[in-house]
Parts: sequence; C-alpha cells; structure tokens
Amino acid sequence: KQEVTQIPAALSVPEGENLVLNCSFTDSAIYNLQWFRQDPGKGLTSLLLIQSSQREQTSGRLNASLDKSSGRSTLYIAASQPGDSATYLCAVLHMDSNYQLIWGAGTKLIIKP
Amino acid sequence: SQTIHQWPATLVQPVGSPLSLECTVEGTSNPNLYWYRQAAGRGLQLLFYSVGIGQISSEVPQNLSASRPQDRQFILSSKKLLLSDSGFYLCAYGLAGVGQETQYFGPGTRLLVL
Repeated sequence: KQEVTQIPAALSVPEGENLVLNCSFTDSAIYNLQWFRQDPGKGLTSLLLIQSSQREQTSGRLNASLDKSSGRSTLYIAASQPGDSATYLCAVLHMDSNYQLIWGAGTKLIIKP
Repeated sequence: SQTIHQWPATLVQPVGSPLSLECTVEGTSNPNLYWYRQAAGRGLQLLFYSVGIGQISSEVPQNLSASRPQDRQFILSSKKLLLSDSGFYLCAYGLAGVGQETQYFGPGTRLLVL
C-alpha cells in the first residue's frame, strides 16, 4: 500500500532564506509526483508535476526533485517571501490505482517578515 | 482556458439534513472529475471520480453519493448528514489520459455539520 509522508508538519523561517520541504513515498511504482500549494480556506494550486522518468522540474523560485528509487522528493524554495506562506502538499499517482492521487498530510510553511 | 467553480463556499447544516454541493468546469470537454474531502489537519481523501456522464466510481463507502448529469457538472449529495461529514470538500478536474494527468482544483466548500 502506497503511503506518502511529509516532514516537517510545520516550518517557520525568516524571510529571504532558502528552504527545503520533504516528501517520501513507500512504493516507487508511480506515474508522477505533484507538489501543490494550499492557502488557508482555499483550494489547491498545482505548483510542479514531475513525471516518473524525470529527476527535477523548475518554476521560478521553486525546484522540485524526484528520486524514485529512494522514494523521495524535495521542494526547494529560493529566497523565501512572506507570500510563500501556505501549506504545501505532495501527491503521487500510483500505478496500481490509475485515478487515485495518494496524498501527504502537508507541511505548513510560515515565512516571517 | 479552463476554470472550475464550486458552490457554496461555506455551509452549516444540522445533522440529518440533506446536502448538495455543485461543481462545474468551463473551457473544456469530457474532463475527468473528482470529489475530495480534507479533514482538519489531514491529507486529502478521494471520495468519487468520474470519467464521463453518468459514470461514477466510489473510493470510500459512506453516506455520500455523486452524480454527473452533464459533461462538466459534478454534484456531491447526501440524504442525511452525519457529524463526521464535516470537512473541506474539493472538486478537481483532469484533462490528460489515465496516469498522465495533472489535477486542477476548485476553491472548495467548507461544510460544518452541527
């Protein structure tokens, strides 16, 4: 059974710092992995999608990596800003369940001005 | 471009009352549609998905049901709400083929059952 874990559950850093959020999954048989952002009381916004054959994806100050063999992904945020404060969720699309994204519980990120 | 709408944004309902949440997608045809629930402090749980009109698959047995009366309309319903139905309900759509798609989410409905 695929399980997705995100550590830490919460993180608070000063503005301007570079930071890394972690996501691990137990079964490497995935199609892809996605990182999402959720603002309080709002829906989810897809940030980056990494196909299983890829090692990383970049969008602006965000860089996501995927190491399928070790079951790990990281989301790197450069030069953090207060507007980056949100909950970040990762999800994997597992090969044994075509439509079901398996979700981590998220990391709540606070960037202090 | 595609957009996804959900309503209402918030809802407070008594235990035992019925529920109807609606989700519509604009700017595309034949999307895959999903209903998720997010309990406080927990990850998302897939409730239902649909690959076409009238085609509904349920992931979790419960007192909820879903319907897709039109191509771009997805409805989540209950005949009698339970306290445990409280949560944040998210609708999502996907465009590409099985195993390749990314999902795009609506703004969500916050449901409180009292």
